[in-house]
Order: sequence, then C-alpha cells, then structure tokens
Amino acid sequence: QKEVEQNSGPLSVPEGAIASLNCTYSDRGSQSFFWYRQYSGKSPELIMFIYSNGDKEDGRFTAQLNKASQYVSLLIRDSQPSDSATYLCAVIRGNTPLVFGKGTRLSVIA
Amino acid sequence: DAMVIQNPRYQVTQFGKPVTLSCSQTLNHNVMYWYQQKSSQAPKLLFHYYDKDFNNEADTPDNFQSRRPNTSFCFLDIRSPGLGDAAMYLCATSYGDSGANVLTFGAGSRLTVL
Repeated sequence: QKEVEQNSGPLSVPEGAIASLNCTYSDRGSQSFFWYRQYSGKSPELIMFIYSNGDKEDGRFTAQLNKASQYVSLLIRDSQPSDSATYLCAVIRGNTPLVFGKGTRLSVIA
Repeated sequence: DAMVIQNPRYQVTQFGKPVTLSCSQTLNHNVMYWYQQKSSQAPKLLFHYYDKDFNNEADTPDNFQSRRPNTSFCFLDIRSPGLGDAAMYLCATSYGDSGANVLTFGAGSRLTVL
C-alpha cells in the first residue's frame, strides 16, 4: 500500500471555479500535512501546511484535514490559469523525513 | 536573499561517467536532503543529513553517494550513471527534522544520461 495517494489527474476546472484536490495517507500516526505546488520543470514550493483536524485558510487556499479518515484536501477558490500545476501532498511523522504523493495535475481553463 | 542553490541546473553525462551535483544554502539550516524525482512521479528521498549525521534510505542504490563537508554545502555523487538515473535531483533544507519544520527546495538539477 502506497503511503501517500493522490489521483494523478489531470483535473480540469474552468477559470473562477473551485478546484478540489484530495490526498489519503496510510500511516495513522502521521502528524503534519503539507501541500506543495510544482510547475513543470521547477522545484516544489510550499503552499500551506496543516496539523490539526479541520480547515485552515490562507487566501484562496483552504486545507482540510480529517485524521480519522486519513484524508487531507486542498481547495483552491477562484481558480486562475496560473494555478495550473502539479499539486503534491506530503506527510510527516515525528522525525521521519517528508513523504510525498505523486501529485495531481491541475489544469485551469480560461 | 537567503536561499538554496543547486549547480549545475542541467547536467548531461554519458552512460557510466561519474557526475557530481552540488547544493549550497545560506539559511543556516542544519538538515539537508537529496530527493530524486522522475517524470510524473513523487520526489523520492535518497539521503538526508541531520547536522553531520548521515541517513541513507534503505532503497537508495549504492551508485549514489553524498558528502556534506560543512553546514552550507552538500554534494550528490553518482558513480556510474545509468539511463534509469535520468531525473531531476532536488536539494532541500530544513531547520530540524521534526514534523513542524518546512522544507525549502533548491531549483533542482536535471540530469540527462546519454
């Protein structure tokens, strides 16, 4: 069983819509959850992280965590063509290094 | 600006010809990581250093080695690159390696093996 799973996509949404990206993880002891954005040929850049169950909002981005269901999601409101990228979910437990999912490719259609 | 710098950005080598990729950081972070990322795949951790303590992932091939001569620099050596080693190599740093610490990535070094 893969540790961090994401639908590879592509997920296509029209400009201005809400994009919903999902991630599940297998290690119930996971403590911290990160969303990175990666443009083609570039390195990952952090969007936001979440530790506690519930929602965390930062501008147009909202991360949602449900530890009981081992599920973390990222919502992007008012999606823009510049949001088109691959979104990587990453998980960490204690002092172990970050484990990444394969990413979901998002395409925002103008 | 404080940052993580990787060199070279693009490296072309021949099958079996050794390659060294470098990473330097001005963040004074004590943890440095090397990830390998192939097309459409997740970044895969190869090694990390917590200060001078070297941590090798169990499935990292022996063909890959790393050096960290000081806090600021870290090198990835690929002794005999094969076609399957073509990938983006990402260096990252963090202050401490607990779950609270965010990774800062360099721009990456893309390796092509002919």
